[in-house]
Order: sequence, then structure tokens, then C-alpha cells
Amino acid sequence: GQSLEQPSEVTAVEGAIVQINCTYQTSGFYGLSWYQQHDGGAPTFLSYNALDGLEETGRFSSFLSRSDSYGYLLLQELQMKDSASYFCAVRRDSGAGSYQLTFGKGTKLSVIP
Amino acid sequence: ETGVTQTPRHLVMGMTNKKSLKCEQHLGHNAMYWYKQSAKKPLELMFVYNFKEQTENNSVPSRFSPECPNSSHLFLHLHTLQPEDSALYLCASSPRGDRNYEQYFGPGTRLTVT
Repeated sequence: GQSLEQPSEVTAVEGAIVQINCTYQTSGFYGLSWYQQHDGGAPTFLSYNALDGLEETGRFSSFLSRSDSYGYLLLQELQMKDSASYFCAVRRDSGAGSYQLTFGKGTKLSVIP
Repeated sequence: ETGVTQTPRHLVMGMTNKKSLKCEQHLGHNAMYWYKQSAKKPLELMFVYNFKEQTENNSVPSRFSPECPNSSHLFLHLHTLQPEDSALYLCASSPRGDRNYEQYFGPGTRLTVT
């Protein structure tokens, strides 16, 4: 079967760094995506890792270790507007050349002054 | 209009009603998706269309019926729903089905079944 695990809630201080972990178990793994969703808003794509290593996009970085079935999203210089839910999503081959994106339950990040 | 739009934004319907949700994308994408988002649960993929052809049906009950007349429009027809179907229904698009790791979501339709 498949599973994705990420913490349900994280609290961090404005200006600090926070890491949101995601572990997964799946067959046909192709890559790991991260999405941000503010309360009442639509999910927004942040990053995608298909290969091991760190991808940096501004204040956000995402890491993947395929051998450990593990990834994380790193948010630096936290701002109040970063308070949102963050979802990891596994991209996998669901058969016959079709790809499926399976989302985790999300981590609610609260940034406090 | 830009991005992905969904109408209506809110819908209240009785269990015997028939209604439809509409999604339109203005990004020139060829793959479109329906998701269900319930409280405390992960986004659940319902249907995938790639170049107007349905490529995924994630064991969705037949009371949900999708329609994709072209690559820009996606509908979800609803009939005889149950209260547990109350949720946020999100539409998304991506350039192609095999580039589904980067999806663009609409604002969703908040559905309440009474």
C-alpha cells in the first residue's frame, strides 16, 4: 500500500527557520512535490524533487532522499504570511504510463511573533 | 480571466437534487483533475482527464459523474448525494498528465449536502 507521514502541526517564530518532514512508502515512486494552502485558499505548488538533493527557491528549499523515502521542506526567514498548511505529495506511476499524485494530510504551520 | 476558475464557490443541495460544478482553466493545459478535500483528511483524487480522455477514476461512487468537453473545461455532475459528500471540491490542471507534479488549483466549491 501507500502511506505519507508528516507532522500535523508545527509552530515557529517569525524570522526563524522551520523544517517540515515527510516520509513515504509507495511503489513506482517518481518524485515528491510540496504545496502550500492558506485557510480558505487553493493549494499552490511550491517545489518538486525527482532526484536526491536540495532544491532552493528563494526562502523555501526542498530536499529528497530516495534511499530513505524521506523529504523535507525548509522555510527560512519565516514571515507571518507563511502561516498555512503545507502538503507533501508523492508522484507515482499508477500503471500503463499514467502518473498519480497522492497527497499527505498536511502540516499546519503557525508563525508567531 | 486567468488561472483556474470554479463555479459556484458555494453550493447547498438536498440529497435528491441534481447540480453541476464547473471548472475552467485559462493556462493552455491538457490535463485536468477533480479532488475532494474534507476536514482532517488528505486531498483525495477523484478523476483525471488527459487530452479530454478520462485516465483515472479513483473508485468514486457513481453519484459523481465527470464530463470534459474540451481541454479547458471540466464538469462534475452531482445527483442523489449523501451528507458525507459535503466537502471542498477542488479542480486542478497541469500541462499534461505526465507533468502532474505541478498542478494549478482553482479556489474550490464548498459543497454542503443537507
